[in-house]
Amino acid sequence: DGGITQSPKYLFRKEGQNVTLSCEQNLNHDAMYWYRQDPGQGLRLIYYSQIVNDFQKGDIAEGYSVSREKKESFPLTVTSAQKNPTAFYLCASRDRAGTEAFFGQGTRLTVV
Amino acid sequence: GENVEQHPSTLSVQEGDSAVIKCTYSDSASNYFPWYKQELGKRPQLIIDIRSNVGEKKDQRIAVTLNKTAKHFSLHITETQPEDSAVYFCAARYSGGGADGLTFGKGTHLIIQP
Repeated sequence: DGGITQSPKYLFRKEGQNVTLSCEQNLNHDAMYWYRQDPGQGLRLIYYSQIVNDFQKGDIAEGYSVSREKKESFPLTVTSAQKNPTAFYLCASRDRAGTEAFFGQGTRLTVV
Repeated sequence: GENVEQHPSTLSVQEGDSAVIKCTYSDSASNYFPWYKQELGKRPQLIIDIRSNVGEKKDQRIAVTLNKTAKHFSLHITETQPEDSAVYFCAARYSGGGADGLTFGKGTHLIIQP
């Protein structure tokens, strides 16, 4: 659906555990992004990658890590250092020559 | 970095009336301004966007205006319909210093009253 797939849709994590959220796109886009959305808030940029094997911190990178080993994939790991991880996580991708960012369906992470 | 302010946080209008949502941005280097619509529990979807070299853009019932001097841009929806009810986000892309990514406003919950 839309060429960018996030999994799982819902994820539950125990405190102190790391979890990895998957994001895959088949749009041949160079740039990929991770955003976090909290209730009543806009989306905030966690990390982004403009090219394979390179990524940059966004506005709220603390407690998160990413990798970009393949053009199609940009997984996000929420580490135990992230003190308030419960949120809706959205992945997006963009053709660097274009402007529009396409979003995945999101992963809702809940700490239990 | 960029900062985007969006108002109002909630907007209720009668079906058939117009709705206007306003945003301001801080970084004069920003040159791309999209608007996204998000229904409950779903992903944001682009509804209209504008580049900094254009002052206004229209797509059927939706229009966006941009005032670069004042650093503000607005979304206008005319002849509102029940399916327009959703949360709308404005955003700006900053291009200075090699940075990337959209900076979003906090959203406007648009309610269309029947």
